[in-house]
Amino acid sequence: EVQLVQSGAEVKKPGATVKISCKVSGYTFTDYYMHWVQQAPGKGLEWMGLVDPEDGETIYAEKFQGRVTITADTSTDTAYMELSSLRSEDTAVYYCATGYYYYYYMDVWGKGTTVTVSS
Amino acid sequence: EIVLTQSPATLSLSPGERATLSCRASQSVSSYLAWYQQKPGQAPRLLIYDASNRATGIPARFSGSGSGTDFTLTISSLEPEDFAVYYCQQRSNWPPAYTFGQGTKLEIK
Repeated sequence: EVQLVQSGAEVKKPGATVKISCKVSGYTFTDYYMHWVQQAPGKGLEWMGLVDPEDGETIYAEKFQGRVTITADTSTDTAYMELSSLRSEDTAVYYCATGYYYYYYMDVWGKGTTVTVSS
Repeated sequence: EIVLTQSPATLSLSPGERATLSCRASQSVSSYLAWYQQKPGQAPRLLIYDASNRATGIPARFSGSGSGTDFTLTISSLEPEDFAVYYCQQRSNWPPAYTFGQGTKLEIK
């Protein structure tokens, strides 16, 4: 069974950095892109970026460029999303997602990780 | 950056009725468009990919159409479990990026 298991909830102060993990199982990690998606409370979905675990190449959304770093550790089949200079507007659920059945889309999702930014 | 605009923001219908949701792109995305359903407290679920193809396990009452800049998701006869928020999403090759629409909330009338 294809699964994405995300790390637990985080509480951070403004200006801090958060790093969330997404461990995959049930498929070959390096064969599919891993995306990260932000969803603020009561708001819509915002694509943050992706990593190609095969070679580590990344693509970031303009909005997050310079503050987000997405990486892939092929030794542990785990993807990471690091967001720096946190502000209250970054309070959100963060999802990892991959296109296992439909390569260019997001058809398998993690359950989400809640990040709360508060002083 | 390609912007996706969904309409209406909220759609109020009754079970058994037909739902028509719209997604318009600021420039052509060819057929590289998907639709997702999200229920409260859950991750999104892929319904339609490449504008008109149903993902595995998606009921036949869901259909997608369109190409270029105008797309439609149709639910032929609403079931109680279909009331949720629906998002369209595009992928572009250059610049390489993905974007979501702002969502349409389908609520029970």
